[in-house]
Amino acid sequence: AQTVTQSQPEMSVQEAETVTLSCTYDTSENNYYLFWYKQPPSRQMILVIRQEAYKQQNATENRFSVNFQKAAKSFSLKISDSQLGDTAMYFCALRLYGQNFVFGPGTRLSVLP
Amino acid sequence: NAGVTQTPKFRILKIGQSMTLQCAQDMNHNYMYWYRQDPGMGLKLIYYSVGAGITDKGEVPNGYNVSRSTTEDFPLRLELAAPSQTSVYFCASSYDGGASVLTFGAGSRLTVL
Repeated sequence: AQTVTQSQPEMSVQEAETVTLSCTYDTSENNYYLFWYKQPPSRQMILVIRQEAYKQQNATENRFSVNFQKAAKSFSLKISDSQLGDTAMYFCALRLYGQNFVFGPGTRLSVLP
Repeated sequence: NAGVTQTPKFRILKIGQSMTLQCAQDMNHNYMYWYRQDPGMGLKLIYYSVGAGITDKGEVPNGYNVSRSTTEDFPLRLELAAPSQTSVYFCASSYDGGASVLTFGAGSRLTVL
């Protein structure tokens, strides 16, 4: 069975600083996809970024980027120039091709003014 | 384009009552899902569907039922509500079983007293 681990239950960062959220996963498959979702206090789940495992290049979306280390099965999220609106729960998710999403337990990020 | 629409947003049930959470998507997505999120926790898959007429159990199906008579709609039925079913319920959809992202509804907060 696939598992996703987020070892940091809570983190905080000062506004305008950079923070990295950790995610590790376990699968024996080669064809899979990785995602980061954000859940702000409004509780709406919002896609932050997506990475295909076959792509070596790390995905980026504006201030959000990932460090995808396939051999280490690591998929960390870096948030640059943190903003108050980044305060949220962040969930890492793994999806094998043709199978369901597996979510990690989440990291609660607080951006401090 | 409304995306994924869930109703109701809030509901209070008494123990033993039944209700249906409605979910509709207008993106022509084939895959649909129901998750529950307990306070401070991650997402647990209740049921999912890969197309009209096809449903399957997730990791926590007991006490729930679903149907998928059309591509657009995926209602979740709670029979004989119990306090353990107090949670926030999310409906989600994706186009296929590969790299397509999961699009979530806004969630339904259910309290069973």
